[in-house]
Amino acid sequence: NAGVTQTPKFRVLKTGQSMTLLCAQDMNHEYMYWYRQDPGMGLRLIHYSVGEGTTAKGEVPDGYNVSRLKKQNFLLGLESAAPSQTSVYFCAAARDRHLPLHFGNGTRLTVT
Amino acid sequence: QQQVKQSPQSLIVQKGGISIINCAYENTAFDYFPWYQQFPGKGPALLIAIRPDVSEKKEGRFTISFNKSAKQFSLHIMDSQPGDSATYFCAARSPMKTSYDKVIFGPGTSLSVIP
Repeated sequence: NAGVTQTPKFRVLKTGQSMTLLCAQDMNHEYMYWYRQDPGMGLRLIHYSVGEGTTAKGEVPDGYNVSRLKKQNFLLGLESAAPSQTSVYFCAAARDRHLPLHFGNGTRLTVT
Repeated sequence: QQQVKQSPQSLIVQKGGISIINCAYENTAFDYFPWYQQFPGKGPALLIAIRPDVSEKKEGRFTISFNKSAKQFSLHIMDSQPGDSATYFCAARSPMKTSYDKVIFGPGTSLSVIP
């Protein structure tokens, strides 16, 4: 039982490149989230999903897109990476809207 | 009004001492206050949580104290150990009329427990 698994763990992109971050969960949870973590700013919600086939915007959605084609997977895409997107990205899952959040171990992304 | 303030930014405590991290909020609609613990290279993990109708909750060496009138809550770690060295985030949940209950995280406190 791995919980929430994120791939890749590290990635370096050049400005303008695109990439997709994959989150997979084996807990059969309905809710999934993408957060970014920056020093001194805590965790900020990018996008979330309340079930298969649904997505919604969080606090900082600009420059990102998501898809939830299967219940267990939640993908975060960057179409044209910018240096401001240098961050650590965390995926989380929750059984329902009532928490708690179960986090993956993060993807460290650097955009040069 | 949606902010959660957290202090101190960093904290150094001797082994066996008490670590205290404070948080404050403005929104009286917040209805759930979790604390998350994060070790280097790992994701945050739920440590302990409290609802505003309770003034204190204790789990082992970890205690949340909640002051509803002051809109403040704090985490106390008794008998702090080097293994407690981590970053701690307080958070608050605001129930929404949408399908998502907004969770606001504080900026985090880096705790170092020295032998």
